[in-house]
Amino acid sequence: DSGVTQTPKHLITATGQRVTLRCSPRSGDLSVYWYQQSLDQGLQFLIQYYNGEERAKGNILERFSAQQFPDLHSELNLSSLELGDSALYFCASSALLAETQYFGPGTRLTVL
Amino acid sequence: KNQVEQSPQSLIILEGKNCTLQCNYTVSPFSNLRWYKQDTGRGPVSLTIMTFSENTKSNGRYTATLDADTKQSSLHITASQLSDSASYICVVSTTSGGSYIPTFGRGTSLIVHP
Repeated sequence: DSGVTQTPKHLITATGQRVTLRCSPRSGDLSVYWYQQSLDQGLQFLIQYYNGEERAKGNILERFSAQQFPDLHSELNLSSLELGDSALYFCASSALLAETQYFGPGTRLTVL
Repeated sequence: KNQVEQSPQSLIILEGKNCTLQCNYTVSPFSNLRWYKQDTGRGPVSLTIMTFSENTKSNGRYTATLDADTKQSSLHITASQLSDSASYICVVSTTSGGSYIPTFGRGTSLIVHP
């Protein structure tokens, strides 16, 4: 158990819908990262937050957005969902930006 | 374009044997290189992190090496166990505005047979 929690574990929804994935970092960690893992693309970095501020963006689509709240938990919002958005979404946290990242168990999103 | 290439794509070995996984990268500027172990359906677990000045880093039976001149890294697994069966992912990070942006390899799938 990494100490990072993600909810829900599984999510099944239809195309065009909007969903919110939630992540609680390890106690004391200030940095949160979001990743997408699909069979054809492997792991891809989406976005990074540090102490509530966005610090870096990766391959995040405009239909996706995220934020980190004052209590340091983070949410990833996915809208206008497409079949290709079906993937495992991981959240990770670290104490500081360059330190070891601890991954959560992931949320498996299925878009039908 | 920043890229991380891993080889082999998959590997099957017998329990107790050693193996070495390779990672070549073109990420620039280089910040750090990490190796992760990922069991099927689970989140990756960090094995090692190396910065530019580090040549070798060990974590139990796992030893990572880094040659920053040739932009190559390897992960050596000693005396393999059945529980080593997993995907091993090489991640190279670059810096941008004080943040670290990772580029992931596609991973090497390792199967350890009894």
